[in-house]
Amino acid sequence: KAGVTQTPRYLIKTRGQQVTLSCSPISGHRSVSWYQQTPGQGLQFLFEYFSETQRNKGNFPGRFSGRQFSNSRSEMNVSTLELGDSALYLCASSLRQDSYEQYFGPGTRLTVT
Amino acid sequence: AQTVTQSQPEMSVQEAETVTLSCTYDTSESDYYLFWYKQPPSRQMILVIRQEAYKQQNATENRFSVNFQKAAKSFSLKISDSQLGDAAMYFCAYRRGITSGTYKYIFGTGTRLKVLA
Repeated sequence: KAGVTQTPRYLIKTRGQQVTLSCSPISGHRSVSWYQQTPGQGLQFLFEYFSETQRNKGNFPGRFSGRQFSNSRSEMNVSTLELGDSALYLCASSLRQDSYEQYFGPGTRLTVT
Repeated sequence: AQTVTQSQPEMSVQEAETVTLSCTYDTSESDYYLFWYKQPPSRQMILVIRQEAYKQQNATENRFSVNFQKAAKSFSLKISDSQLGDAAMYFCAYRRGITSGTYKYIFGTGTRLKVLA
C-alpha cells in the first residue's frame, strides 16, 4: 500500500506570494492533518480534515487555510507569505478521525525569500 | 491546555548501549494517548511506540520500551542495544482520548539522538 505522498517536496516563494501544498493520504484513510515544523517551534498542529470538513484547527492566522476533497486528498494554502512561514509542512493521514495512529508524509520544504 | 516538554535537546549513546529519552506532559484529562515518533534525517516521521493512559503496563516494541508514570506525568523512552539506524530526532506527543471529541496532537520540541560507532 502506498504511503502518504506530498507534493511538491521543495518550494521557494517570495514574500507576499501564495502557495498551495498537496497531500494524498494512504488509500482508505479519511482523516488528514497538517503540521508546520520549524527548528524553533517544533511541530505545530495546523488543522485536521475528515470527510471534507475541517474538524480541528490550531492557532495559526487566517492566511493558512485548507480543504479536503471527496477522495480524501487535501490541500493547504498559505496566502501573503511571510519570511516566518519558511518551514517543513508535514501531512499525516489516519484511517478515521479517532484513530490513534497517524502516518506522516515526507513533507514539503517551503522557503520564503 | 495540554503541554509536552522534552528537556533534552540532544543525547548521545554508544552503539549497543542503552539510552533513555525524557518527556513530561501536563494535562487535566484522564483519557489520553502518548506517543514517541522518530524522524530520521530523511524526514519521514514514523511511529515508534504508543501508550494508552488507562493501561498500567508499559508499552514495549522490540528494543523500544517506555516508562509511563501517570501520576508524575512522565513518559520516557528507553532504547536498548542502540543501533546506528536509531540516530534521529525523537518527538514525544500527546493526544486526547476518544471521549474528548477532539483529536489534535501536541508534540514536544524533540530530542536529537546521536549514535556513536
